Amino acid sequence: GQNIDQPTEMTATEGAIVQINCTYQTSGFNGLFWYQQHAGEAPTFLSYNVLDGLEEKGRFSSFLSRSKGYSYLLLKELQMKDSASYLCAVPNQAGTALIFGKGTTLSVSS
Amino acid sequence: NAGVMQNPRHLVRRRGQEARLRCSPMKGHSHVYWYRQLPEEGLKFMVYLQKENIIDESGMPKERFSAEFPKEGPSILRIQQVVRGDSAAYFCASSPARGSGNTIYFGEGSWLTVV
Repeated sequence: GQNIDQPTEMTATEGAIVQINCTYQTSGFNGLFWYQQHAGEAPTFLSYNVLDGLEEKGRFSSFLSRSKGYSYLLLKELQMKDSASYLCAVPNQAGTALIFGKGTTLSVSS
Repeated sequence: NAGVMQNPRHLVRRRGQEARLRCSPMKGHSHVYWYRQLPEEGLKFMVYLQKENIIDESGMPKERFSAEFPKEGPSILRIQQVVRGDSAAYFCASSPARGSGNTIYFGEGSWLTVV
């Protein structure tokens, strides 16, 4: 089965950099996803990593280490609108669903 | 360029009534997923469907819950004899194909309140 761990909450200030970690255990690895979810809204896709290393996409970057079962989402130049939950997810072994962690609620203050 | 469409957005039901939640996938997508999100909890997978077929229902409660995705029309998640514990946000997602590397795209969700 799959097991995903993320910190429950994080706080940061505008303009700062924050790193949200995710550790996972899965039987058969098929990539890792990050989604962003604002309160009361739909989760939206941020990134997908299947190979080790850093993938950069604007202010957001995602890193993966398959040997360590570890990923992080790096948010730079934080803005108030980045206050949201960040969800780490991995596919189940059958490839029929994404299994999500409980999410990390990030609060950005001025 | 319509995304995943869910309705109703908000639904109130009394205990014992039935709730029907509808989901139209993104254009060109034939794979539909239903998730439930309880307050302070993560997204929990319920069921994965393709047209006219349930592929994986391992996350569905054994009783009172059912899902379908007919040849014509939206996918429907049906909850019979609702109880207070069914109050949650129900999200539908779709993808263009099956496979671990396929991104799934979520609808805005249906918020069910059982009173």
